[in-house]
Amino acid sequence: GNSVTQMEGPVTLSEEAFLTINCTYTATGYPSLFWYVQYPGEGLQLLLKATKADDKGSNKGFEATYRKETTSFHLEKGSVQVSDSAVYFCALRSGGTSYGKLTFGQGTILTVHP
Amino acid sequence: EAQVTQNPRYLITVTGKKLTVTCSQNMNHEYMSWYRQDPGLGLRQIYYSMNVEVTDKGDVPEGYKVSRKEKRNFPLILESPSPNQTSLYFCASSLPPGLAESGDYEQYFGPGTRLTVT
Repeated sequence: GNSVTQMEGPVTLSEEAFLTINCTYTATGYPSLFWYVQYPGEGLQLLLKATKADDKGSNKGFEATYRKETTSFHLEKGSVQVSDSAVYFCALRSGGTSYGKLTFGQGTILTVHP
Repeated sequence: EAQVTQNPRYLITVTGKKLTVTCSQNMNHEYMSWYRQDPGLGLRQIYYSMNVEVTDKGDVPEGYKVSRKEKRNFPLILESPSPNQTSLYFCASSLPPGLAESGDYEQYFGPGTRLTVT
């Protein structure tokens, strides 16, 4: 079955530091890949997505590139802010009978200090 | 405002006392889903619905029921809650598969319901 593995957290950074959160996946076919963000006390929001190999998703300074050869979708940001503190989830969606279902990684807690 | 609402947001109950968590969306989405979030496990799908009167099991359906009598509502029912169902629950909805195939896909999540079963 499908699975998503994220780097172990929590991750603690100083403001303006570079961020990488690793994400690798196992799936049949050609899944779509997503990063969701969950701010404290809130639901999940879509941060960015990529639907085919070599696509780059980007939003709010965050980027991730769909790498089929390494089955990865690592999240990066060049300069984090305190307001980026949240939980980040990597997820994939594949078709077939499980159409629409998202398979999530375990989440990575990011804390950014001033 | 496009949104998914859930009620209640917080609930503490006792083992065996039936409860329902409501979910409603105002975006006319066909697809709706329930997830539970547990530390170290991410979100796992409980049930989903492709349309009115069409529901199916996700990865962790045991101990839960759902119904989809109207497009906008998708309640989650725990007939006899147990402590292992203590969790954070999220409802989500999205565009129908026809549009999703074009890549225009996003699941919209509700704010979550924190359930504690003692």
